[in-house]
Amino acid sequence: QVQVVQSGTEVKTPGASVKLSCKTSGYPFTKCAFQWVRQAPGQSLEWMGWISAAASGQTKYSQRFQDRVTITMDTSATTVYMDLRGLASEDTAVYYCAVETYITSCCHFDYWGQGTLVTVSS
Amino acid sequence: QSALTQPASVSGSPGQSITISCTGTSTDIGTYNRVSWYQQHPAKAPKLIIYDVSGRPSGISTRFSGSKSGNTASLTISGLQPEDEADYYCSSYTTRSTYVFGSGTEVTVL
Repeated sequence: QVQVVQSGTEVKTPGASVKLSCKTSGYPFTKCAFQWVRQAPGQSLEWMGWISAAASGQTKYSQRFQDRVTITMDTSATTVYMDLRGLASEDTAVYYCAVETYITSCCHFDYWGQGTLVTVSS
Repeated sequence: QSALTQPASVSGSPGQSITISCTGTSTDIGTYNRVSWYQQHPAKAPKLIIYDVSGRPSGISTRFSGSKSGNTASLTISGLQPEDEADYYCSSYTTRSTYVFGSGTEVTVL
């Protein structure tokens, strides 16, 4: 059973940075890729970026977040991190970590974390 | 990359079938059979229900089915049940090696 556990709620002021974590278990970490997806209140899902443990840490980011997001991983801790800089009120959202296991094929998100609420307010 | 276009809401009575469309472009749905669908209940994380246009993960009801034609993918829910009331999102891989989600559809069971 794959488990995806994310870090807790964050409250930040405008201009600050936030680093979220996502720990996985139940499936070989190095066979997976990890996506970060966010959802602003009442809004749709928005893809932010991806890191592939199966491809030695290769990353890809949405153009919209390219300049201020960094996704990293710690294989020994089976944990992925997402660092978002220059926070603004529009970044208030629930941030999800989703795992791609490649059990069937690529390019879909098999398991999701519980989400982390990030609130940006002065 | 603009969001894929979905109807804002779709409704149906118990037992009926409904279909949700998801329209993209030649840079995403039109090029790849890498369309997936996610179900999201209020205050819950999304859940994968369809992958690769029409594949069903283990444990997902056969009442959920997917298809694609050109730049548009579709999700059909047959035999609508009260627990199907949720938001549904499509997603596609793109020619830029990124992903794009749909605008989301709220399904109401009357």
